[in-house]
Amino acid sequence: QSALTQPASVSGSPGQSITISCTGTSSDVGSYNYVSWHQHLPGKAPKLLIYDVSNRPSGVSDRFSGSKSGNTASLTISGLQPEDEGVYHCYSYTSTTAYVFGGGTKVTV
Amino acid sequence: QVQLQESGPGLVKPSETLSLTCDVSGVPISTHDWWTWVRQPPGKELEWIGEIHHSGNIDNYHPSLKSRVSISVDNSRNQVSLKVNSVTAADTAIYYCAMASHYRIDLWGQGTLATVSS
Repeated sequence: QSALTQPASVSGSPGQSITISCTGTSSDVGSYNYVSWHQHLPGKAPKLLIYDVSNRPSGVSDRFSGSKSGNTASLTISGLQPEDEGVYHCYSYTSTTAYVFGGGTKVTV
Repeated sequence: QVQLQESGPGLVKPSETLSLTCDVSGVPISTHDWWTWVRQPPGKELEWIGEIHHSGNIDNYHPSLKSRVSISVDNSRNQVSLKVNSVTAADTAIYYCAMASHYRIDLWGQGTLATVSS
């Protein structure tokens, strides 16, 4: 099972919006609405940001939003803030290995 | 507050067994469906290793690791354990314990680095 494809890095200025793509295949992203995103800040445990493509867990800022079209899912961060700097991973449920992950995108503000 | 804390030897010799423990605090293991291990080798993407139901009766593993990996739960100690047999340098990675349900990972530990080297 190949990893999902994410851009290595994305940057933006404070207050701007950025979008991170996550491209899979018809066996994972394209087949299931079980795409999640997590945020990995330096020195901290990864944190769930988005699940089931576009749902936010309680306590997650509404500046984070998710969507999906075909085999590609996307995470948008609106009103970019310095504390958003970190690595963002997408992952999808698959029928073969439970989860397949993206390579991670480093966000620089 | 639920927390997951991984621990292990840090350094393991090739061909030996890597044993890691995840201490779960703030909630009984039995209250969450699936307990999962994920790893990230240096410079590579995250890789799902496997999962176990809180009952200990159902487990699933990555096909490429299935022959060498086992996951178990100890409800009395509120711990989840991972064993990887016959390790090689390719098993060097940060290993994460995670709590999962409904096709998503709800909570991660901070991870522990395991290095395979003689």
